[in-house]
Amino acid sequence: QQQVKQSPQSLIVQKGGISIINCAYENTAFDYFPWYQQFPGKGPALLIAIRPDVSEKKEGRFTISFNKSAKQFSLHIMDSQPGDSATYFCAASMTGGYNKLIFGAGTRLAVHP
Amino acid sequence: DTEVTQTPKHLVMGMTNKKSLKCEQHMGHRAMYWYKQKAKKPPELMFVYSYEKLSINESVPSRFSPECPNSSLLNLHLHALQPEDSALYLCASSQDRGGFGNIQYFGAGTRLSVL
Repeated sequence: QQQVKQSPQSLIVQKGGISIINCAYENTAFDYFPWYQQFPGKGPALLIAIRPDVSEKKEGRFTISFNKSAKQFSLHIMDSQPGDSATYFCAASMTGGYNKLIFGAGTRLAVHP
Repeated sequence: DTEVTQTPKHLVMGMTNKKSLKCEQHMGHRAMYWYKQKAKKPPELMFVYSYEKLSINESVPSRFSPECPNSSLLNLHLHALQPEDSALYLCASSQDRGGFGNIQYFGAGTRLSVL
């Protein structure tokens, strides 16, 4: 119930292409769904986040799509660039849960020139 | 300034050593966290401090001892560690407990090697 399942484990995309990473959850009490980006040797950094009453949120080239009924959410990276090559983690948390983040397993994205 | 500063960046210690990791933030955040991250794995929560009180201990072995001396500082004291404790130790902070927009800001981590 506390798990967040993330796929794919790794992804190779050509420069200019669209990268899509998917996550699914079971616990309907989750009310905050952030995506973190992590470069080698660095800590995770918040990329974009969404709440369950919104179906889509866009920030620049990054878009979260949220399907509450299916309990799924996804990250789309448009016009992918080599600088986007990193590991991406989806996560979920709930109000009153001491902001405990439940992370997905991560997706290693490689964008080839 | 959204910076969480962790020191040292790298640490090598023997199994009989005692060492400490330090984390500092000056964003006025009242929640602070320790995570452990193994290679190619997500961060794994160890401890949560809320208003300088330990709120969550994720059944972490007693050889890891957290301390929150004040709202800006978080320490992790290490003693008698095992080689399998080698990992990247991440500190994070956030404004408050739970809720949307309660962003966790992570430090760059301490890369720990236990010999």
